[in-house]
Amino acid sequence: NAGVMQNPRHLVRRRGQEARLRCSPMKGHSHVYWYRQLPEEGLKFMVYLQKENIIDESGMPKERFSAEFPKEGPSILRIQQVVRGDSAAYFCASSPMGQQSYNEQFFGPGTRLTVL
Amino acid sequence: AQSVTQLDSQVPVFEEAPVELRCNYSSSVSVYLFWYVQYPNQGLQLLLKYLSGSTLVKGINGFEAEFNKSQTSFHLRKPSVHISDTAEYFCAVRLDRGSTLGRLYFGRGTQLTVWP
Repeated sequence: NAGVMQNPRHLVRRRGQEARLRCSPMKGHSHVYWYRQLPEEGLKFMVYLQKENIIDESGMPKERFSAEFPKEGPSILRIQQVVRGDSAAYFCASSPMGQQSYNEQFFGPGTRLTVL
Repeated sequence: AQSVTQLDSQVPVFEEAPVELRCNYSSSVSVYLFWYVQYPNQGLQLLLKYLSGSTLVKGINGFEAEFNKSQTSFHLRKPSVHISDTAEYFCAVRLDRGSTLGRLYFGRGTQLTVWP
């Protein structure tokens, strides 16, 4: 059973460009979470999605950031007009039933975004 | 508001010595507690979790943690560390109710370095 897949692993963008980060959850998992890890800091929650639904996006910056998890295909975190402050590691996690208290979130290897 | 405090940002120890990584949390509702480990350039791997029951929880790689409700702590311990335990360790909590059920709240991490 393959784990959570994220691609690309490393992404370099110039200021003003768009960044698209992809996450394929574990087989059988229908809940996806995105977290951001800034240098020297812990992970900060960004958004929680189910298939075709955003459940909690209270951790997302109000502008330039969006996320989706379509019926088919991976979850996408999109950052428009990137700035240097967006440079971070972005982690995706998945779980089979988001509302159950015993869920473990399984993490992917992350995408390291560098904005030049 | 919820918060997780890891009191030590760096813990250096010698091989075969015991280690304790400290974690305190604050929350107005009951929580579930987790410890994750992150090796360089990798995602997070679950070490152990406390959901209910016995307050002493055993995890992988010889780690254990004890939940102390009165002190709101969940310290991680290992009686004898190996060089391969060198990694970043993150404490996290998840609420057992409310609109933010899905998210994990992370501490800033503790870098454990084991010296020969």
